Amino acid sequence: GDSVTQMEGPVTLSEEAFLTINCTYTATGYPSLFWYVQYPGEGLQLLLKATKADDKGSNKGFEATYRKETTSFHLEKGSVQVSDSAVYFCALCMEYGNKLVFGAGTILRVKS
Amino acid sequence: GAVVSQHPSRVICKSGTSVKIECRSLDFQATTMFWYRQFPKQSLMLMATSNEGSKATYEQGVEKDKFLINHASLTLSTLTVTSAHPEDSSFYICSATNRGSGTYEQYFGPGTRLTVT
Repeated sequence: GDSVTQMEGPVTLSEEAFLTINCTYTATGYPSLFWYVQYPGEGLQLLLKATKADDKGSNKGFEATYRKETTSFHLEKGSVQVSDSAVYFCALCMEYGNKLVFGAGTILRVKS
Repeated sequence: GAVVSQHPSRVICKSGTSVKIECRSLDFQATTMFWYRQFPKQSLMLMATSNEGSKATYEQGVEKDKFLINHASLTLSTLTVTSAHPEDSSFYICSATNRGSGTYEQYFGPGTRLTVT
């Protein structure tokens, strides 16, 4: 079945460091891809998305590019802040608006 | 826009009792709502999908008689955990989407922390 694999955390970085969180997927077709962020004690917020190959999603300094050839959607940010500390989930859905398949989540801790 | 609320945010109940959790779309019509369960430090597990006015579709392994889902209107879905036991303690999150809008994005509620003692 469809699945998402994320790099294990926690990822601990110093403020202003470069962030990469790897995400790869397995799907029978061409999914839409998403990154969600969850702050402590809260629900999920959509961070960015991409709906077709080579699309780049971006928001709040975060970027991810839909790479069909490597079935990846890695999340990057050039300079992280303490306020970016959260859990990040990569997800896919095969039919936009249908159920999401989530990766395990990656905890990011940014130290000042 | 596109705000989803959940009530209550936290609930503690005794084993054997039932608990109802509400999920509301505040500023849009939610044709479809999803219910997820999240264990500590783990990912979200989809429990069921509900479309307004029809029965919910449950994922494999989810007991539909234990987790009753009702989506009676375009702005409200409820999840009732019947005869709750300590193993039902978890973080329950709903999401909502409006398939008629064409955007298909899912909007998530803030979650409900259920503790069964």
